[in-house]
Amino acid sequence: RKEVEQDPGPFNVPEGATVAFNCTYSNSASQSFFWYRQDCRKEPKLLMSVYSSGNEDGRFTAQLNRASQYISLLIRDSKLSDSATYLCVVNSKKTSYDKVIFGPGTSLSVIP
Amino acid sequence: NAGVTQTPKFQVLKTGQSMTLQCAQDMNHNSMYWYRQDPGMGLRLIYYSASEGTTDKGEVPNGYNVSRLNKREFSLRLESAAPSQTSVYFCASTDQSNSNQPQHFGDGTRLSIL
Repeated sequence: RKEVEQDPGPFNVPEGATVAFNCTYSNSASQSFFWYRQDCRKEPKLLMSVYSSGNEDGRFTAQLNRASQYISLLIRDSKLSDSATYLCVVNSKKTSYDKVIFGPGTSLSVIP
Repeated sequence: NAGVTQTPKFQVLKTGQSMTLQCAQDMNHNSMYWYRQDPGMGLRLIYYSASEGTTDKGEVPNGYNVSRLNKREFSLRLESAAPSQTSVYFCASTDQSNSNQPQHFGDGTRLSIL
């Protein structure tokens, strides 16, 4: 089983739709979690951190379920500019360094 | 504040040639990383450096060497380039002292090996 798994998609949704992505991780000792977005042929950029109590940033809501070891990202009122690949990132401390695992990404296309 | 800077942005090599990809960060981060990303694929860790003076292998280290020259700079060297190393290479850094800190990426080096 891969350490971090995501549904690759693609998710094709109309403008204004709500879309949700899930991510599962295998290491129960994982400590911190993030969502990144990556535009075609560009570097990954931090979208938001994911906190235990859940957090919201505008149209984006992230949730963490430690018991079930999954993270979710909800995008409301989708915009054309939301089209990108969304990467789930899980960070575990291992001895003296951080072990950072990137998921394979979920592709989103928002259609006019 | 430049963040993470990678050079060059593009490079074409012939099989067997060598080259060094440069990365520098100005955020005083302890940890630095080199990833490769092949078309339609996720990021794969090549090497990382938890702190100045230390380097460790990641998932796909074969064919590469690294140098953590100082706290700011972390270079990746291809000694004898092969077509299988055609990829986009990303450097990243983070503040290791706090595991809740995300990684910051450079804008990548697009490398083609003929």
